[in-house]
Amino acid sequence: QLQLQESGPGLVKPSETLSLTCTVSGDSISSVTHYWAWIRQPPGKRLEWIGSIFYSGSTYYNPSLKSRVNISIDTSKNQFSLQLSSVTAADTAVYFCARQFLREAFEYWGQGTLVTVSS
Amino acid sequence: EIVLTQSPNFQSVTPKEKVTITCRASQSIGSRLHWYQQKPDQSPKLLIKYASQSFSGVPSRFSGSGSGTDFTLTINSLEAEDAATYYCHQSNTLPGTFGQGTKVEIK
Repeated sequence: QLQLQESGPGLVKPSETLSLTCTVSGDSISSVTHYWAWIRQPPGKRLEWIGSIFYSGSTYYNPSLKSRVNISIDTSKNQFSLQLSSVTAADTAVYFCARQFLREAFEYWGQGTLVTVSS
Repeated sequence: EIVLTQSPNFQSVTPKEKVTITCRASQSIGSRLHWYQQKPDQSPKLLIKYASQSFSGVPSRFSGSGSGTDFTLTINSLEAEDAATYYCHQSNTLPGTFGQGTKVEIK
């Protein structure tokens, strides 16, 4: 059974870098039919796609965040990671990782982790 | 960026009633429209992909239709466990975007 689990600090200071890791179990992250994605949900706001990565390391990002985002993948550990730099209070959100069919629907999601940006 | 607008924002429904949620795209997206269900304090779950294809394990009372700019999610014979917020999502044009959500409450 496929499971995705986010991990990382729940509190990040303004101007610092947010770092999260998603550990995948029950499926190989080296799938040729799936991307691996990060999505966030600020309190009371709609979901926002951050970016996605293929097992080869190929990435594509939301242009609104592209200058601050880096997504990487470690196939040996079946994990992929998110780094978001220069964070502000506006980056406070629940962050989800998900498996994405090609570049289409998000088929399975992690439980989500709340990251608060505050000094 | 494509804007997805859902209606209504909120719906209070009695069990066994039929629910219809619409999602309108600011420009044509073909059939690359997907629907998710998010229950309180849970992550979203995929219900319908490509406008009308049911995802694995989803109850048959959930169905989707539409193409171009106008899409519909229908829940036939609502059950108490269907209380949730429903989101549409388009993957036709980068960046992928989501609707604002429709909250369905059980009376």
